[in-house]
Amino acid sequence: QKEVEQDPGPLSVPEGAIVSLNCTYSNSAFQYFMWYRQYSRKGPELLMYTYSSGNKEDGRFTAQVDKSSKYISLFIRDSQPSDSATYLCAMDSNYQLIWGAGTKLIIKP
Amino acid sequence: GAGVSQSPSNKVTEKGKDVELRCDPISGHTALYWYRQSLGQGLEFLIYFQGNSAPDKSGLPSDRFSAERTGGSVSTLTIQRTQQEDSAVYLCASSLSRGGDNYGYTFGSGTRLTVV
Repeated sequence: QKEVEQDPGPLSVPEGAIVSLNCTYSNSAFQYFMWYRQYSRKGPELLMYTYSSGNKEDGRFTAQVDKSSKYISLFIRDSQPSDSATYLCAMDSNYQLIWGAGTKLIIKP
Repeated sequence: GAGVSQSPSNKVTEKGKDVELRCDPISGHTALYWYRQSLGQGLEFLIYFQGNSAPDKSGLPSDRFSAERTGGSVSTLTIQRTQQEDSAVYLCASSLSRGGDNYGYTFGSGTRLTVV
């Protein structure tokens, strides 16, 4: 079993929909949780960063961490075609990031 | 430069040949990382540099892989006697420091390596 599990998708939704992306993990020691966005043939870029449990909001994006369930989520409101990308979750382990496989998101105009 | 620069962007090589991949990090970033990304897989950690030293080489998959960093700046990842399973995108990232609450990695666009 991988330390971080993420559904690879693809997830296809119409423009304007609310998108929910998720990761589960097994290591209860993780404290820092990140979401990166990766466009085709580009490197990942940091979207959201959360410490411990709770919610964090940045514009149309909301990151949630539930440490009791070992479950993290990224919500995208009013999704746009430009949000089409692969979204990777990552979490720390002794200052080394452990990555999910990424979920490919397609927003249909 | 403004971002992390990697070269070449694409490399096709014959099985058994050696390849060198280059990473030019953001000026002033002391931490530098190499990752490998295979199709449908997450990022696989290879090696971490702090300055010119590599305190964490735990991710290098075999002794065919090596990396160095000079002048606290440019890094080179070398793969000797390439095998088909080495085909992947090799990503470099840099950051001001490592650990704690600083995970603001900046990634390059990667080198797409194909071993034929």
